[in-house]
Amino acid sequence: EAGVAQSPRYKIIEKRQSVAFWCNPISGHATLYWYQQILGQGPKLLIQFQNNGVVDDSQLPKDRFSAERLKGVDSTLKIQPAKLEDSAVYLCASSLKPGTNTGELFFGEGSRLTVL
Amino acid sequence: AQSVTQPDIHITVSEGASLELRCNYSYGATPYLFWYVQSPGQGLQLLLKYFSGDTLVQGIKGFEAEFKRSQSSFNLRKPSVHWSDAAEYFCAFNTNAGKSTFGDGTTLTVKP
Repeated sequence: EAGVAQSPRYKIIEKRQSVAFWCNPISGHATLYWYQQILGQGPKLLIQFQNNGVVDDSQLPKDRFSAERLKGVDSTLKIQPAKLEDSAVYLCASSLKPGTNTGELFFGEGSRLTVL
Repeated sequence: AQSVTQPDIHITVSEGASLELRCNYSYGATPYLFWYVQSPGQGLQLLLKYFSGDTLVQGIKGFEAEFKRSQSSFNLRKPSVHWSDAAEYFCAFNTNAGKSTFGDGTTLTVKP
């Protein structure tokens, strides 16, 4: 079974520029997550989708971050304009049935963003 | 507030020695508990999970973890560490609503 696909793996931009990350979850997984992982810290949830609806975006900095999951499959996370503190790895994960005994997350390899 | 605490930021063990990584959680009910491992430049991979029943759970790569409700802990153990176990380890829990909370991780170094 194919895993969670993310692209690009690496991106370097200047501050105030924009960037977009793409994620394709495991087939059949209705729940998709975007996490931000800053060096030395654990993943922090940015947004959680159930199909194409947002379940939780309380930690998403909405003045600069946006995310969408059209058609309930793949998803795009955008940052505009980027700040230095946005330098991090952006992890996409999917889950079959969160909140159940099959609720573990399956992660992609991440997209590493460096903002100069 | 819901949280996960991993008290040890960095642990170094010798190859062949035993390992225990600590994890404590704060949540109003019994959560679904997980341990994930992250190798450099990679995403997180599930090691094991606890939902109910036997409080000692077995995972991949020879890892096990024990859930102790009275201590709100879910410590990860391995009887004999291999050099390939060097990585970062994250404890996490899910609520019934499917919200996942992660600790800040413990970095494991294995000495030859």
